[in-house]
Amino acid sequence: DSGVTQTPKHLITATGQRVTLRCSPRSGDLSVYWYQQSLDQGLQFLIQYYNGEERAKGNILERFSAQQFPDLHSELNLSSLELGDSALYFCASSVEGGMGTDTQYFGPGTRLTVL
Amino acid sequence: AQKITQTQPGMFVQEKEAVTLDCTYDTSDPSYGLFWYKQPSSGEMIFLIYQGSYDQQNATEGRYSLNFQKARKSANLVISASQLGDSAMYFCAMRAGGTSYGKLTFGQGTILTVHP
Repeated sequence: DSGVTQTPKHLITATGQRVTLRCSPRSGDLSVYWYQQSLDQGLQFLIQYYNGEERAKGNILERFSAQQFPDLHSELNLSSLELGDSALYFCASSVEGGMGTDTQYFGPGTRLTVL
Repeated sequence: AQKITQTQPGMFVQEKEAVTLDCTYDTSDPSYGLFWYKQPSSGEMIFLIYQGSYDQQNATEGRYSLNFQKARKSANLVISASQLGDSAMYFCAMRAGGTSYGKLTFGQGTILTVHP
C-alpha cells in the first residue's frame, strides 16, 4: 500500500457525461500528479500540482481539468466524455516539487469505462 | 523532448534465475532521473528503483539493481533470483529537468513471466 488513495475504484458512465476522480496523497506529500493509462497511448502524464498551484502540464485535453485543495487532496474532472477516454487514471504523490530524487508513489487507480 | 524505449514486449525467466529488462532513453538535458515501476495484474504501480544522472554508482534495492550506462543512454533493470511474484509488467520512466518538473515519461513496458 503506497499510502495514496483514489476513489472511486471503478466508474462506468455514458458518452457526454461528466465525472470527478478524487485523490488523497500520502501524508506530508505536497505534490500530486495525474496520469492516464490506455492501451493505445500507454502511460501519459496529464498534470502536476504542488501545494495548491499548477506546476506542470502534459497532454491534458481541454475537456479535462484538475485542482488541488488546501488540504492537498486533488480532483480530476473529465467532461463531455468520449469512448476514447476509457482508461485507468492514476494519481501519484511526492514529498516535494518533483525534482531530484523526489519519488512519485502511485495510488491504485480509477478505472473509467465510457459506454 | 524526452523518450524512453523498451524493446522487449515480453520476457520469460525461470524461477531463481536472474533477468535483465532493457531500457534506453533520450534527452538533451544533462540532469535527469530514471525510474523503474512494477505493475502487477492487479493494476497498481509499485516504485522499484531510482538512478540519478549524476550518480557515480549503479543503484541497488534488494534484488533489484540498475545497470546504468550513461554513454549508451541505457538503464537496464536487473532482477536477481526471480520469484513467481515478480511476474508483472515493468515500466522504465524518466524525469528530465527544466520546466518539466515532476513529469515522468514512460516506456511501453515489458511483461515479465516467471516460470516455476
